[in-house]
Amino acid sequence: EAQVTQNPRYLITVTGKKLTVTCSQNMNHEYMSWYRQDPGLGLRQIYYSMNVEVTDKGDVPEGYKVSRKEKRNFPLILESPSPNQTSLYFCASSLFWADESDNEQFFGPGTRLTVL
Amino acid sequence: SQKIEQNSEALNIQEGKTATLTCNYTNYSPAYLQWYRQDPGRGPVFLLLIRENEKEKRKERLKVTFDTTLKQSLFHITASQPADSATYLCALVGGYNKLIFGAGTRLAVHP
Repeated sequence: EAQVTQNPRYLITVTGKKLTVTCSQNMNHEYMSWYRQDPGLGLRQIYYSMNVEVTDKGDVPEGYKVSRKEKRNFPLILESPSPNQTSLYFCASSLFWADESDNEQFFGPGTRLTVL
Repeated sequence: SQKIEQNSEALNIQEGKTATLTCNYTNYSPAYLQWYRQDPGRGPVFLLLIRENEKEKRKERLKVTFDTTLKQSLFHITASQPADSATYLCALVGGYNKLIFGAGTRLAVHP
């Protein structure tokens, strides 16, 4: 089944404790991105990757890191989480870059993160 | 500044009626616009894409219009059903390789 998977789905942690949220897609998509979703603010892009070893900042990259060593995986790293990073996180992938048409985004199921 | 606006208030309609959701944008010139459906606690699911040179697009009970002069897209669900209850998001290309999403409008269809 074609899908984007994320782990963990739920995470409660404390300020400053490094964590990684994994994301994997099995559709051979070039483009992957991370979003956070907060009430009233909608989905905001954190980082995106156009292909292996090519990543760039989205609109809210502060406090996050990513890497794209393999085409299928795009982990999100919080080196020192803070309470303002409490949010619902989504990984997404698409066949082409966002500037191409027919760029349907496939989203993962989400990771609900709470930083105490 | 660049903005995408969707009605933040929930839209409540009766089953069988047509639901119309609005997406307005400013200071963008998108080549296309997308609509997604999001159910509580789940990731958004792609529904439709409409290009700037298309006035209207249909898919089953869904219809999307795109007016680049008004900078507005309308999303219609005809013969709405309770199963259509969800939050609907619009998205457009807001910069180099960036897809920008509106905050979404929650639709509630009552039997």
